[in-house]
Amino acid sequence: GAVVSQHPSRVICKSGTSVKIECRSLDFQATTMFWYRQFPKQSLMLMATSNEGSKATYEQGVEKDKFLINHASLTLSTLTVTSAHPEDSSFYICSARDMRGSSYEQYFGPGTRLTVT
Amino acid sequence: KQEVTQIPAALSVPEGENLVLNCSFTDSAIYNLQWFRQDPGKGLTSLLLIQSSQREQTSGRLNASLDKSSGRSTLYIAASQPGDSATYLCAVPLTGGKLIFGQGTELSVKP
Repeated sequence: GAVVSQHPSRVICKSGTSVKIECRSLDFQATTMFWYRQFPKQSLMLMATSNEGSKATYEQGVEKDKFLINHASLTLSTLTVTSAHPEDSSFYICSARDMRGSSYEQYFGPGTRLTVT
Repeated sequence: KQEVTQIPAALSVPEGENLVLNCSFTDSAIYNLQWFRQDPGKGLTSLLLIQSSQREQTSGRLNASLDKSSGRSTLYIAASQPGDSATYLCAVPLTGGKLIFGQGTELSVKP
């Protein structure tokens, strides 16, 4: 299957600072990527859809000025958590949709554990 | 509105047992369904994808079935092993690719 990477895998930052998380599709191009967050013992919650060359589409209740998404190339999307607070501490996972063939299968990155102190 | 439900929420079995995980969805107008595995603190690994035109898919000891008309999918794991212990998630896509996930089944296989 296809490979999606995320960087960093873990990050600790101080309250009020900003953190950037990268999501890359390594062996395929992805016009669409998705960003999820996951709290302990819960399922994934979609935050936004990242579209290459256009603005991201945010889910209801997700602050677009706080979670900045940039999809500048067909293999890279970034999520920047601005002015981070302890309640932003979570596990952030991205996925990329493989449009080759007809299956449109989604592949997930390994996740980024964000801790805001 | 599409909703995905998985039962049971947790399952503990002895090694070697065959087991079935269940997934149901409310809107049968789907074009595929994916099963994923998630280990603690890790991302998701895609296990099987079933297209809407298919009834089942197999990969090794895993077999996933899909019954669109009844809104159900099952994941069958044969001869379970301790290494199968993980959370299993099913997901269906909306138009545009957004995935709707079930809450997952946490599987523990005891040696």
